[in-house]
Amino acid sequence: QVQLVQSGAEVKKPGASVKISCKASGYNLRDQYLHWVRQAPGQGLEWMGWINPNNGETKYAQKFEGRTTMTRYTSINTAYMEMSSLTSDDTAVYYCAREGVWFGEIWGQGTLVTVSS
Amino acid sequence: QAVLTQPSSLSASPGASVRLTCTLPRDIYVGTYRIYWYQQKPGSPPHYLLRYMSDSDYQQGSGVPSRFSGAKDASANAGILLISGLRSEDEADYHCMTWHSSAWVFGGGTKLTVL
Repeated sequence: QVQLVQSGAEVKKPGASVKISCKASGYNLRDQYLHWVRQAPGQGLEWMGWINPNNGETKYAQKFEGRTTMTRYTSINTAYMEMSSLTSDDTAVYYCAREGVWFGEIWGQGTLVTVSS
Repeated sequence: QAVLTQPSSLSASPGASVRLTCTLPRDIYVGTYRIYWYQQKPGSPPHYLLRYMSDSDYQQGSGVPSRFSGAKDASANAGILLISGLRSEDEADYHCMTWHSSAWVFGGGTKLTVL
């Protein structure tokens, strides 16, 4: 079964960093671009950027440039999204999503990140 | 502040047809943009519905019923998601998206209630 499985919920203090994993199963991670999208409580979706797992090339939305890093380890079919200098505004559910024939043909289940002192 | 504008909520009765709008900023013309639509139910990730550019450039998601269709309203500079024969299971949030200025941008989402 083709799926993306994300790591579990995180609670972080302001100023800390968080690293979320997204493990692909049922297909080779290298084969399709992977996007990261977040959703603050009760809000809409917000695109953060993508990674080309085949060569590690990345593109970040301007808002997240500089404090977000997307990486992958193809040997374990897993992608990562790390964000630093967290504030309460970063409290959200973070999703990874595969772009195959279309954007978001497969989504991870989401990872809740709570930033609170 | 979302780039694309969607009404925050909409309600309709079972069996009815609804028209969800996704309005683009005035400085960009909907005719040149592919509009993507996603359905999201509480506690779940979004689910791809369809992509609409024109009647000849249109892609329905796998397994998405033909009750869901796309269109554009050029006079309103908006992408449209049409849902016919509403069912209780259509109650969800609906998000639109497009590629603009080298970024994927979303609307704020519309909460559809089936009364």
